[in-house]
Amino acid sequence: DAKTTQPPSMDCAEGRAANLPCNHSTISGNEYVYWYRQIHSQGPQYIIHGLKNNETNEMASLIITEDRKSSTLILPHATLRDTAVYYCIVRVDFGNEKLTFGTGTRLTIIP
Amino acid sequence: NAGVTQTPKFQVLKTGQSMTLQCAQDMNHEYMSWYRQDPGMGLRLIHYSVGAGITDQGEVPNGYNVSRSTTEDFPLRLLSAAPSQTSVYFCASGARTSTDTQYFGPGTRLTVL
Repeated sequence: DAKTTQPPSMDCAEGRAANLPCNHSTISGNEYVYWYRQIHSQGPQYIIHGLKNNETNEMASLIITEDRKSSTLILPHATLRDTAVYYCIVRVDFGNEKLTFGTGTRLTIIP
Repeated sequence: NAGVTQTPKFQVLKTGQSMTLQCAQDMNHEYMSWYRQDPGMGLRLIHYSVGAGITDQGEVPNGYNVSRSTTEDFPLRLLSAAPSQTSVYFCASGARTSTDTQYFGPGTRLTVL
């Protein structure tokens, strides 16, 4: 699976959009971009994933650049409960379920 | 639907003791896995299973055994606990479908003295 690079930490004001970048310059054509988050010491929670088109769900939006070498997770209206470590992971689809976690980005929402 | 459950939540062991961490899921998922998370680090894969009777090693398998006799359960055994195994352990499960997402349990915090 391709390696990802994320900033170690970010702050965002409550109510503003939080934009979390991820670099995955060695991504292969059959690898998806997944985002998970881990709130405090809980188990990681799935947020969103995509291949090459932008995706949106009830939690977030995922913007993937046209060359697929980077992506941005957007939390449109951050709340204090969004304070967590966010992991960007790239992996192939069916047949390789293993997730390789890096150290992620620690997002702190400021009141 | 309880999702992924793990027991115990906390455990303290002495060096050399053995124990089993329990993991169960009620979503009929074929894929299950165990991760450990040390302070300030991401999760590292210990063992995984793609179905009953099938297991394989992950990134850090030494000192741990697993078996998968049913779809629902995937216990992790520590044969002879060492202080280096002090960590938080997470179990996860997922359906083996294209782009499946995985669901994680609440974790077991293990301290080995």
